[in-house]
Amino acid sequence: DTGVSQDPRHKITKRGQNVTFRCDPISEHNRLYWYRQTLGQGPEFLTYFQNEAQLEKSRLLSDRFSAERPKGSFSTLEIQRTEQGDSAMYLCASSPRTSGVTDTQYFGPGTRLTVL
Amino acid sequence: DAKTTQPPSMDCAEGRAANLPCNHSTISGNEYVYWYRQIHSQGPQYIIHGLKNNETNEMASLIITEDRKSSTLILPHATLRDTAVYYCIVRATLNTGTASKLTFGTGTRLQVTL
Repeated sequence: DTGVSQDPRHKITKRGQNVTFRCDPISEHNRLYWYRQTLGQGPEFLTYFQNEAQLEKSRLLSDRFSAERPKGSFSTLEIQRTEQGDSAMYLCASSPRTSGVTDTQYFGPGTRLTVL
Repeated sequence: DAKTTQPPSMDCAEGRAANLPCNHSTISGNEYVYWYRQIHSQGPQYIIHGLKNNETNEMASLIITEDRKSSTLILPHATLRDTAVYYCIVRATLNTGTASKLTFGTGTRLQVTL
């Protein structure tokens, strides 16, 4: 059983550097979500893809953040010119195609980013 | 999405039932109640969800009051591995035109002890 995978699991970078994270969803899941979680808080929604289309972005997703899902499979989240406030756990989730009115999101293990 | 209220922490003895409450008094008719948990330094794990009726799966039971303004997650025989933060989330249906993202609060930290 292959769940959602994320790479890297940990990233330490210096302020001002660019970083990119990858998420591989569960096979054939057409919806993919990115969340961010800071210490002591619950995850916060960042953005959402249905297949390759980015359909929603949170106000948390500043201009320094960009996400892609070029072929509707894996996704990348890039942060440019990192700031110390970007230090957080970045979580990816995917959910399957459904004809119903709700679905279930399955989360990956997350990428922990530390900006020095 | 409706706001939920959960106690910040609870303790439970191993082998006993853990009953985690959640208030969602402003829930609307097209919103589901979802429960996730997060073990330290891991991604959230789906537990169960429901709309009106009580639900049970291999992990837990979900009891939703008739007026849907509150719910209780029941772990029938808690073990040490159930120590985690439990999140109660109210979520709109997919046909509302939004991503139906999950809006997490700060959850309940459940500590299972020997």
